[in-house]
Amino acid sequence: AQSVSQHNHHVILSEAASLELGCNYSYGGTVNLFWYVQYPGQHLQLLLKYFSGDPLVKGIKGFEAEFIKSKFSFNLRKPSVQWSDTAEYFCAVKRADKLIFGTGTRLQVFP
Amino acid sequence: EPEVTQTPSHQVTQMGQEVILRCVPISNHLYFYWYRQILGQKVEFLVSFYNNEISEKSEIFDDQFSVERPDGSNFTLKIRSTKLEDSAMYFCASSSLKPGDRVSYEQYFGPGTRLTVT
Repeated sequence: AQSVSQHNHHVILSEAASLELGCNYSYGGTVNLFWYVQYPGQHLQLLLKYFSGDPLVKGIKGFEAEFIKSKFSFNLRKPSVQWSDTAEYFCAVKRADKLIFGTGTRLQVFP
Repeated sequence: EPEVTQTPSHQVTQMGQEVILRCVPISNHLYFYWYRQILGQKVEFLVSFYNNEISEKSEIFDDQFSVERPDGSNFTLKIRSTKLEDSAMYFCASSSLKPGDRVSYEQYFGPGTRLTVT
């Protein structure tokens, strides 16, 4: 069965630190990949998505992700985090009519 | 910016009772979804709905669950006889595009309804 793994469950950073959140998927065919963010008390919002083309995808709020097919990975990165990036981050893959999510990574950024 | 809304934000019910969770998708969207997230676990797909019928459902979505679009704006999830293990956050989502419309495809999520079954 297709699955998505996020190995970092809880990440704590200071402001201005660089961020990389891991995401691995298990599916050999064409994949459509997403990163969603959920700020405290708010709904899931799309950060970025990959369908095809350039494997380096840029999203909102300075986030980017790189699709590495050989590693089945779609890691999320940001060069310098801010306190306002404190949130839960979910990686997801589209399969047929649905999104399959990872377990999420809780990011805490301290000033 | 248009948003998906859900009511109530928190629902407490007793085991065996029926609950209806309500969602108002974005107005020009045609594809609707329910997901749930049990505390500490991943967000799981429940069901997708298009053209007034279920297009896909998961193993979780058994006979106790049903969905309906009773009018042009609401999309509801009904649980007929709630169990303790139904306690979770339930998210509604909608999309304007077919899942096959690759580049622009995106699901827009509501804020969720926290269901607590006691």
